[in-house]
Amino acid sequence: DAGVIQSPRHEVTEMGQEVTLRCKPISGHDYLFWYRQTMMRGLELLIYFNNNVPIDDSGMPEDRFSAKMPNASFSTLKIQPSEPRDSAVYFCASSFPDRGNGYTFGSGTRLTVV
Amino acid sequence: GENVEQHPSTLSVQEGDSAVIKCTYSDSASNYFPWYKQELGKRPQLIIDIRSNVGEKKDQRIAVTLNKTAKHFSLHITETQPEDSAVYFCAPTYGGFKTIFGAGTRLFVKA
Repeated sequence: DAGVIQSPRHEVTEMGQEVTLRCKPISGHDYLFWYRQTMMRGLELLIYFNNNVPIDDSGMPEDRFSAKMPNASFSTLKIQPSEPRDSAVYFCASSFPDRGNGYTFGSGTRLTVV
Repeated sequence: GENVEQHPSTLSVQEGDSAVIKCTYSDSASNYFPWYKQELGKRPQLIIDIRSNVGEKKDQRIAVTLNKTAKHFSLHITETQPEDSAVYFCAPTYGGFKTIFGAGTRLFVKA
């Protein structure tokens, strides 16, 4: 398995633009998580899905953030409009709790909003 | 909600020495206790984990010990090497997926 795949690896955008981050989880994993990492706030859970259904989005900062999982192999995190304070590394992770093997993280997307 | 604390926040050791990082949590329902290692510019990676019915688990130079009564678990690294330098996160979990990550411990191993 290629692991959790995220794209793009780096994204630089201007304030006000729409940004879409993509994630392909490990096949067979039924949980998918979106995290944001900054020096100040550490790893923050934004939203997670179980079997493609959003379960808890209480970590989504505000209405500018939205996430979807149209099928078991693909999820997106969208920011519209983007702001400089959204600059961070965004990680997607997947897991299969019945195996209890923790999270597998993607390589992350480093977002810079200028 | 769940409160997770890691100590120390920074740890500097000489190569060959041991390092211990402690994680305390508040939710007694937590039943899965992993540690993640994140090297600079890379993703967090699971390095060792333990379930609530076990007190200790070892994998070569790393081990995790759990005290469920006191609600803390610790990461032990023996014979540290420069490549152990990284940030380590604890992530107590319940229900198989409800995880809170600690703030991280930055470990420096001096050659």
